[in-house]
Amino acid sequence: GDSVTQMEGPVTLSEEAFLTINCTYTATGYPSLFWYVQYPGEGLQLLLKATKADDKGSNKGFEATYRKETTSFHLEKGSVQVSDSAVYFCALSEQDGANNLFFGTGTRLTVIP
Amino acid sequence: DAGVTQSPTHLIKTRGQQVTLRCSPKSGHDTVSWYQQALGQGPQFIFQYYEEEERQRGNFPDRFSGHQFPNYSSELNVNALLLGDSALYLCASSFRGLGGYTFGSGTRLTVV
Repeated sequence: GDSVTQMEGPVTLSEEAFLTINCTYTATGYPSLFWYVQYPGEGLQLLLKATKADDKGSNKGFEATYRKETTSFHLEKGSVQVSDSAVYFCALSEQDGANNLFFGTGTRLTVIP
Repeated sequence: DAGVTQSPTHLIKTRGQQVTLRCSPKSGHDTVSWYQQALGQGPQFIFQYYEEEERQRGNFPDRFSGHQFPNYSSELNVNALLLGDSALYLCASSFRGLGGYTFGSGTRLTVV
């Protein structure tokens, strides 16, 4: 079945450090891949997505590339800010959101000044 | 433009009771999905409603049921509550299930 394996947290970084959060997936078809972010006390917000192999999703300085050969969708940001502190979830769906989302367990990021 | 609205925000129930959670989708959206997020875990899909019918269902027991109304709003009902049902329940809406979902802030259910 479909599943997402996400880098264990928590992750603590200093401001302006480089961020990588690893995500690998298992899927029977050709899924769409997503990164969602959850700030304290809030619901999930879509951060970025990619719908086919080699696509790069990007938003707010975050990037992730859909790598079919390694079944990965790692999240990166070159210089994190305190405001990036949140929980990040990698997710997949078998179509572009038409089917339900399978989520990873989440990675809590804390950025310290 | 209001996003997804969920009510109540917090709820405490006793084991064995029944609970109803409510969701109003984002304007223009007609599909509603419900997710359960246990503490420290990722959300898990419960079911999805479209055109007032349950279109997909995740691996949840029949104690979990839902409904969608003609105005696209939705309810999640849980019967015979167990301690393990304590979680954040998230509602997500979309247009025909396409193009990504908008999530609400959730209802925090505590079963004691």
